[in-house]
Amino acid sequence: SQQGEEDPQALSIQEGENATMNCSYKTSINNLQWYRQNSGRGLVHLILIRSNEREKHSGRLRVTLDTSKKSSSLLITASRAADTASYFCATDAGTGNQFYFGTGTSLTVIP
Amino acid sequence: NAGVMQNPRHLVRRRGQEARLRCSPMKGHSHVYWYRQLPEEGLKFMVYLQKENIIDESGMPKERFSAEFPKEGPSILRIQQVVRGDSAAYFCASSPPGVPTRQYFGPGTRLTVT
Repeated sequence: SQQGEEDPQALSIQEGENATMNCSYKTSINNLQWYRQNSGRGLVHLILIRSNEREKHSGRLRVTLDTSKKSSSLLITASRAADTASYFCATDAGTGNQFYFGTGTSLTVIP
Repeated sequence: NAGVMQNPRHLVRRRGQEARLRCSPMKGHSHVYWYRQLPEEGLKFMVYLQKENIIDESGMPKERFSAEFPKEGPSILRIQQVVRGDSAAYFCASSPPGVPTRQYFGPGTRLTVT
């Protein structure tokens, strides 16, 4: 079954506000990654968090991982219009061969 | 170091024709992955290849689809006798040997079947 279900499906906020997206998955993982995809473009890797990590920061991004709840969250602080994109979480389900992507959260940041 | 290259970026085919999508991995990368993204959906894994070997093709449709990664040259995803339902964005990713975790994605090929 598919891993990585994001919530909400769509989110619209004002510039400067924080955006939080959540991801839930179903089986054990080695890693969880977040990607961004601008409309009609490829995927940009944002951050990887390992199963033995609980929190990770990268610039304005903060990712948490709760393996007991099989969930992760991505927080974008002080959002900008350029953050408008779809955000996907991807899990490896322990195999390392393939990633399971969710359907994504579509974020719109209004200037 | 150039990123993952895919060509063409856009491809239009009529029903029944063949589509060939090419992927050149990053320099030094020996693992290639193909994913398909239908409109408004996430990426779905199709196949994982190393040079001259198919490692995992569990996501490939049983018919009309094939993939290869020859010793020399790019990886090819081939779709025979395309149908409208094949219209999607096809993404290739690559990773270095021994480190399959981090995959680097190409810009994708958008296939439209008319």
